[in-house]
Amino acid sequence: DTGVSQDPRHKITKRGQNVTFRCDPISEHNRLYWYRQTLGQGPEFLTYFQNEAQLEKSRLLSDRFSAERPKGSFSTLEIQRTEQGDSAMYLCASSFRQGRQYFGPGTRLTVT
Amino acid sequence: GENVEQHPSTLSVQEGDSAVIKCTYSDSASNYFPWYKQELGKGPQLIIDIRSNVGEKKDQRIAVTLNKTAKHFSLHITETQPEDSAVYFCAASPEGEKLTFGTGTRLTIIP
Repeated sequence: DTGVSQDPRHKITKRGQNVTFRCDPISEHNRLYWYRQTLGQGPEFLTYFQNEAQLEKSRLLSDRFSAERPKGSFSTLEIQRTEQGDSAMYLCASSFRQGRQYFGPGTRLTVT
Repeated sequence: GENVEQHPSTLSVQEGDSAVIKCTYSDSASNYFPWYKQELGKGPQLIIDIRSNVGEKKDQRIAVTLNKTAKHFSLHITETQPEDSAVYFCAASPEGEKLTFGTGTRLTIIP
């Protein structure tokens, strides 16, 4: 399978714990995007990378959130001191240059 | 920033009939309009897209129309089939930038 992959698919954590998600984009895609989707809503943009450079961050991305793409390939999204309001589906997408964005299956986070 | 509105929120059609979903956007800088289909527990799947230099695009049973002046775009699905049942999202962006999504339409095809 050569699509976007995300790991883990599901994560249950207790409030206050840190969590980290990984996204592997489609090979040769130099842009990588993170979105968050809550129940019954469309995905909301969080941040995106071109190669290893983080080009834009949403105001939704509080100081507790950090994303990296150290070698311009896979990316990680870390949430520190999780809160119940962080419960959502975290989606990753990739594109080649300014082309179409293809999404992965998402990581569903539940904060108890 | 961009704001995308989508209607209806739910839509039920008889198998074989057509379905139409409509979106409006606010930012005249947006020039790229994709549509995604999302099934339960899965990520959004790109089904068709259109750029602002084109008024209509068709791919088999799916078509998208764009009215730049009115800032409207629509998804048309003809000869609907049970496997078309899903949630559909429209989105808008300046091409290559972040996507702003609508709130989704839950489409149910009645056999």
